[in-house]
This record gives sequence, C-alpha cells and structure tokens, in this order.
Amino acid sequence: EPEVTQTPSHQVTQMGQEVILRCVPISNHLYFYWYRQILGQKVEFLVSFYNNEISEKSEIFDDQFSVERPDGSNFTLKIRSTKLEDSAMYFCASTADIADTQYFGPGTRLTVL
Amino acid sequence: AQTVTQSQPEMSVQEAETVTLSCTYDTSESDYYLFWYKQPPSRQMILVIRQEAYKQQNATENRFSVNFQKAAKSFSLKISDSQLGDAAMYFCAYRSSTSGTYKYIFGTGTRLKVLA
Repeated sequence: EPEVTQTPSHQVTQMGQEVILRCVPISNHLYFYWYRQILGQKVEFLVSFYNNEISEKSEIFDDQFSVERPDGSNFTLKIRSTKLEDSAMYFCASTADIADTQYFGPGTRLTVL
Repeated sequence: AQTVTQSQPEMSVQEAETVTLSCTYDTSESDYYLFWYKQPPSRQMILVIRQEAYKQQNATENRFSVNFQKAAKSFSLKISDSQLGDAAMYFCAYRSSTSGTYKYIFGTGTRLKVLA
C-alpha cells in the first residue's frame, strides 16, 4: 500500500539555523499538509498546499516557515531561523481529493538546541 | 473554534478484552467528520475509523467500532478482542465539511497498553 514518507526521521540543529524537512506524498495525491506536535501537546495544523499555493495556514505558520513542492514528488517545510520552541514532531499528510481522509507520514522529530 | 478533548492520557487493557477510548468535541457546525487514528511507536498515523456526522449509524471496522453521540458531542472508540498489536497512541480528530477548511483538529491522544 502506498505510504507517505518523511526524511530525516530525526533532525538536530542549533538555534538560528535553517532546516528543511522533506516529505514524499503518495504519488497521485494533490493536497498536502504539515502538522506539528510539541511533546505532550496536541497535533496542530500548520499549513495546507494545493496547486503550488498555500490554501490555508495557521497562526503558527509565520514568516519563519515556508513550504515548497520543488519537483513532482517532494513537499518540503523550511524553517528559516529555528527557535527552541520549534522543537517538535512534524507530520506531513496528503490526500487525492480535498475532502478525502488524510494519509500521514511517520514524522520528523526536530530538536533545536 | 472547534476543540477535541481526549481525557484519558493512558489506558491499559488485557489481551482479548474490550476497551473504550473517550473523545469529546465542541463545534457549532452540523456537518463534519470525526476520525480515530492509531500511531504505533515510531510509525505513521493510520486511519482506524471514520464517521460522518450526518450518518446516525455508528461506524464499524472489524474489531473497532465507535459510539457516536452527536447531541452529546461524544465519539468514543471501542476495541474488542484486544491484541498486542493494538498497543499504540490513539488520536481523535475532527474535520469540518462545511466551512471550507479541511484541516484536522486533534485531541492530545490516548496511549493504549495491551497486557499479555
């Protein structure tokens, strides 16, 4: 069964550094999402993306964040200047149709030191 | 704004027994979707079951079933004949179907332990 994949599984970075988290959605999916989960807290929506544009974003998704689909398979989340509070698990998800159930990747654990 | 609450941070069940995980939510919408996702350790979240709010019949999927009480805004998950492989984090999630947003709103999760 097709799966959403994410790399790396764990990323450690210094505060102020840029990080790029990568996701490969299911191949025929068109709608892409990023969520994050700070340890012990809820999974929170960050952004949705369709047709090379952001379709919705949360208050968390400020100017430090950006998303991109650089080619036909990858979907990336960039954090320009990481902060300690960016430490979290980041989940990518995708759907074929906007109303479909979302399929999630295994997550990338980001640790900012 | 919609919220989802899972009041049980952790639950335990004996293998082959039945366990119920609780989820309540708050919304002013009449049409929406509710989900239970399972997340095994170091693995992705997998859809367990989905319920459309307009359907009165409770969704079932093999050993998994829900008790959907729309008026009470309650959406509990029942796992029958629990197996060791059911041990995981379980997330309840809400998604609007009318407001033009398709983001999920999650609860904090319930960690289920299955005892042999």
